[in-house]
Amino acid sequence: GEDVEQSLFLSVREGDSSVINCTYTDSSSTYLYWYKQEPGAGLQLLTYIFSNMDMKQDQRLTVLLNKKDKHLSLRIADTQTGDSAIYFCAEGRTGRRALTFGSGTRLQVQP
Amino acid sequence: EPEVTQTPSHQVTQMGQEVILRCVPISNHLYFYWYRQILGQKVEFLVSFYNNEISEKSEIFDDQFSVERPDGSNFTLKIRSTKLEDSAMYFCASNWGEGHNEQFFGPGTRLTVL
Repeated sequence: GEDVEQSLFLSVREGDSSVINCTYTDSSSTYLYWYKQEPGAGLQLLTYIFSNMDMKQDQRLTVLLNKKDKHLSLRIADTQTGDSAIYFCAEGRTGRRALTFGSGTRLQVQP
Repeated sequence: EPEVTQTPSHQVTQMGQEVILRCVPISNHLYFYWYRQILGQKVEFLVSFYNNEISEKSEIFDDQFSVERPDGSNFTLKIRSTKLEDSAMYFCASNWGEGHNEQFFGPGTRLTVL
C-alpha cells in the first residue's frame, strides 16, 4: 500500500533556507502536495507538483521531485518566524479522491 | 477569500454517545471529504462524497460512521456510538473535483471521547 514518510522536526535560524524532505512509496502517485498547518488552523495548500515534473518554484518555495527515488523536498528560502508551522507532504493519484498524508514536519524558526 | 468552516471547534462526549460534526464547504465545490488525525499520528482519509453519495471510503469508515449533505450548504459526519479511539481532530475538505486534486481544508473539530 501507499505510505508517505517525513522527518518530525526541523529547526533553522531566521534568514536561513529550510529543506523539508518526504519519501513516498506509491509509484503511481500523480500529484504531490505540500500543506502548511499553523496552530489552531486547517491545512493550507502551499504548492503542488505533478509527477512528470522535476522542479517547481513559487516565490520563496522550491519543490524538487526525484521520481526514481520517490523523494520530494520543499525548500523555503529566507525562512521567517512566520514560517514556523507543521508541513505535511501528501500524494494523490488519478482516479482516486483520497490524499495520503505524511506525519508532518514541525519547522521551528529561531530569531 | 472563501473558506471551509467547521463547527464546533471542540466537542467533548461520553463513550457510546452519538456526535455530529458539521462542515460548510466552499459554496461552488462539488466534492467533499472528511479526514481525521489522531494526536501524534498521520492525517488519515475517511470518506469522499459527490453528487449526494459516497464516492470513496477508507477501512476506518465503518458502519459507525455516516455522512450527509442535509441541505445546500452543510456537510456532516455522524459517529453513531463513539469509542475512546475516535478521539481525534476531524478535518473537512472540499474541491471542484476537476483537474488535480487540490483540496481546501477547514480548521478542524477536536473530538474528545471520555
